[in-house]
Amino acid sequence: RKEVEQDPGPFNVPEGATVAFNCTYSNSASQSFFWYRQDCRKEPKLLMSVYSSGNEDGRFTAQLNRASQYISLLIRDSKLSDSATYLCVVNGAGNTPLVFGKGTRLSVIA
Amino acid sequence: DGGITQSPKYLFRKEGQNVTLSCEQNLNHDAMYWYRQDPGQGLRLIYYSQIVNDFQKGDIAEGYSVSREKKESFPLTVTSAQKNPTAFYLCASSSLAGGYNEQFFGPGTRLTVL
Repeated sequence: RKEVEQDPGPFNVPEGATVAFNCTYSNSASQSFFWYRQDCRKEPKLLMSVYSSGNEDGRFTAQLNRASQYISLLIRDSKLSDSATYLCVVNGAGNTPLVFGKGTRLSVIA
Repeated sequence: DGGITQSPKYLFRKEGQNVTLSCEQNLNHDAMYWYRQDPGQGLRLIYYSQIVNDFQKGDIAEGYSVSREKKESFPLTVTSAQKNPTAFYLCASSSLAGGYNEQFFGPGTRLTVL
């Protein structure tokens, strides 16, 4: 099983839609979870950390389900500017760096 | 301004040549990382360093070398032994306080081998 798995998409949604991405991870001891955003031909940028109790930042909501080892990202009222690739990131086994998923591509269409 | 800088933005090299990519950070981060990204693919870890004068191989270290002589600098050399070096190279850094924290990325270097 890969350490971090995401549906590659693409997800094509109209403006204003709600879209959800899921991500599964294999290391049950993982403690740190993040969502990053990567625009085409640019570097990844931190979108939000994911906390055990779930957290919200404007139109974005992140949830963590430790029992099932998955993380979700919900985007409400999608904007054209939300079009990007969203990377799920989890800390690796033992004292190792973060592990990045391959990303889910989102296209928001007018 | 605090951040991570990478230079150059675009780099062209002939086959058989070594080339060094620069990465500097002024965030006072302990850890630094190098990733490679191919078109439509995810990030793959090349090398990382948690402390000055020490570094570890990542998943695809063959054909690459690094040094960490200063906390703020982590240059990557792509050697002629790297069979397919054309890619987008990303440098990142993070604090290690409390474990591995979120990473911050530089703008990347696009390397093309002619």
